[in-house]
Amino acid sequence: KAGVTQTPRYLIKTRGQQVTLSCSPISGHRSVSWYQQTPGQGLQFLFEYFSETQRNKGNFPGRFSGRQFSNSRSEMNVSTLELGDSALYLCASSLSGVRTGELFFGEGSRLTVL
Amino acid sequence: QQQVKQSPQSLIVQKGGISIINCAYENTAFDYFPWYQQFPGKGPALLIAIRPDVSEKKEGRFTISFNKSAKQFSLHIMDSQPGDSATYFCAASVQGGSEKLVFGKGTKLTVNP
Repeated sequence: KAGVTQTPRYLIKTRGQQVTLSCSPISGHRSVSWYQQTPGQGLQFLFEYFSETQRNKGNFPGRFSGRQFSNSRSEMNVSTLELGDSALYLCASSLSGVRTGELFFGEGSRLTVL
Repeated sequence: QQQVKQSPQSLIVQKGGISIINCAYENTAFDYFPWYQQFPGKGPALLIAIRPDVSEKKEGRFTISFNKSAKQFSLHIMDSQPGDSATYFCAASVQGGSEKLVFGKGTKLTVNP
């Protein structure tokens, strides 16, 4: 069974640009959640999508957005990039959602903002 | 606002020793407490999890101890091995409508051979 696939794995952007990250969940999983991982703040929840609907959102500014397609694939977008957005962005898929805690993570997309 | 406090930040243990990582929470609505293990360059992977109606759960060398009254839970790794060297995250999920998973800041474990 294929795991969670995130693309791209690495990317470099400059301040003010925008970026789109993609996540393909495990087949059959309807929940996709996104996390930002930094050395100082650890893992922080961005948002969760379930069956194309945003089910919950963390405490991030509106520059961070996402969506989910009918095939459960998800994208997250960060607009007007700031230096502090440099981080590893992880997505996780789950059968029933983040509340169960049984998440399967991808290897992440490492974003560097210059 | 950090809702799950994890300690220590880093831990060095000799092979064969016991590794202990502690977490404390404030929100009594939390009802699911997983632990994740992350190796460098990889995403976190679920290691073991516990619900508050159980005081202890053991899977192989890994044991979660849960103290509901103290709002604390801990991970014990018995007979620690160099292959256990990784970053460990505790987490808690919120009961009810606001479904999210809140993570501790992680503990970097190094097991020396």
